[in-house]
Amino acid sequence: AQSVAQPEDQVNVAEGNPLTVKCTYSVSGNPYLFWYVQYPNRGLQFLLKYITGDNLVKGSYGFEAEFNKSQTSFHLKKPSALVSDSALYFCAVRAFHGSGNTGKLIFGQGTTLQVKP
Amino acid sequence: NAGVTQTPKFQVLKTGQSMTLQCAQDMNHEYMSWYRQDPGMGLRLIHYSVGAGITDQGEVPNGYNVSRSTTEDFPLRLLSAAPSQTSVYFCASSPTSATTQYFGPGTRLTVL
Repeated sequence: AQSVAQPEDQVNVAEGNPLTVKCTYSVSGNPYLFWYVQYPNRGLQFLLKYITGDNLVKGSYGFEAEFNKSQTSFHLKKPSALVSDSALYFCAVRAFHGSGNTGKLIFGQGTTLQVKP
Repeated sequence: NAGVTQTPKFQVLKTGQSMTLQCAQDMNHEYMSWYRQDPGMGLRLIHYSVGAGITDQGEVPNGYNVSRSTTEDFPLRLLSAAPSQTSVYFCASSPTSATTQYFGPGTRLTVL
C-alpha cells in the first residue's frame, strides 16, 4: 500500500536555528513528492516538489528538501528558522502510473512546527 | 485569476440534512479533487475528476457524491449528513494529475 509518514507530530526550534521536518514514503513506481504548508484557518500552500533531477530541491520562503531514494525520505529543511514559519506542514506523494491520469495525492498526517523567539 | 474558490466557508447541518459544497476554479485545470481534513489524519481524498464528465472515488467516498459537468466546477454533495462528516473540506485543482495541486480556502462543516 502506498503511504506517507511524518514521524513527528510537533517540532520545536528556536528562531535562527536550522529546522528539519521529516517525511518518509512508500510507493510503487517513481514518486512525485510535495511539501505544503498550512497556516491557521487557511488552505494549503505549495512549498516545493521533487519530480526528477537534483536530489536537493529549493522552494518558497527559503525552504528546501532532500530526496533520498535509498532511505525513501524527503525531509524538509531550512537553515535559519523564523517565528513566522510556525505552521502545520504536510508531506505528500503522488505515484504516477505510466501515461494514465489516475495519480492520487497521498498526504502524511502533518507536523506542527513551532519556532520560538 | 481568483484561483480555487469554495463556498460556503462555514456550515452547520443537522443529521440527515443534505447540502452541496461548491468548488470552482478559473485556471482551466483538468484535474480536480476533494479532500477532508481531520485532526491527526492529514488530508484524505474523497473524490477526484480528471476532466469534465469523468469522476472517480478516492480513499473515503462513502456518503459523498460528485459530478463534473464543466471544467470549472466540481461540487461535492452530502445526501444525508452524519456527525462523522464533521470536518474541514478542501477542494484542489491542477493542470493534470501529475502536477502541483492548488487548494481552495476550505469549508468548515459541522453536523449536529
